[in-house]
Amino acid sequence: EPEVTQTPSHQVTQMGQEVILRCVPISNHLYFYWYRQILGQKVEFLVSFYNNEISEKSEIFDDQFSVERPDGSNFTLKIRSTKLEDSAMYFCASSEGRYNSSTDTQYFGPGTRLTVL
Amino acid sequence: LAKTTQPISMDSYEGQEVNITCSHNNIATNDYITWYQQFPSQGPRFIIQGYKTKVTNEVASLFIPADRKSSTLSLPRVSLSDTAVYYCLVALRGSSYKLIFGSGTRLLVRP
Repeated sequence: EPEVTQTPSHQVTQMGQEVILRCVPISNHLYFYWYRQILGQKVEFLVSFYNNEISEKSEIFDDQFSVERPDGSNFTLKIRSTKLEDSAMYFCASSEGRYNSSTDTQYFGPGTRLTVL
Repeated sequence: LAKTTQPISMDSYEGQEVNITCSHNNIATNDYITWYQQFPSQGPRFIIQGYKTKVTNEVASLFIPADRKSSTLSLPRVSLSDTAVYYCLVALRGSSYKLIFGSGTRLLVRP
């Protein structure tokens, strides 16, 4: 069964450094998403991406964040200057986009645990 | 203010039916309501999705009233492996469009 993969599984960085989290969505999917989950808290939507551009973004997704689909398979989340409060689990997800809706069934990756020191 | 509300936790015993309700005001009119299950240190996993009335699949049922201001996930005959956190996911329309996960309901199934 196809699945969403994410690398690395755990990333440790110093405050102020840039990090890039990588995701490989399911190959025939059209919608891509990033979420974060701070330890012990709920999953929070960051951004959705469709047709090579941002479709929706939350207020969390400020100027320090950016997303990119650099090639036909990868989908990346860049955090330009990490802060302590960016420490969280980051999940990538993808959906078929059958109904051109961002609430189509989403398939989540295993997550990348980001630790900012 | 657009938001979702779920019970923080629920306890059940093996073999019982469990119903978890998510209240969501200001839901987007054209979007689905989806429920996910999450185990510790894993990504959310799709359970069921619906737009209105009732939807049933091999693992759960989803009840959505006509006003779509809430939805109820029904898990028939739960087992120990159903112990997890359950989230509703909706699209809310207010000053801006946003995808919102509910606060999550931690279900504990006891033997």
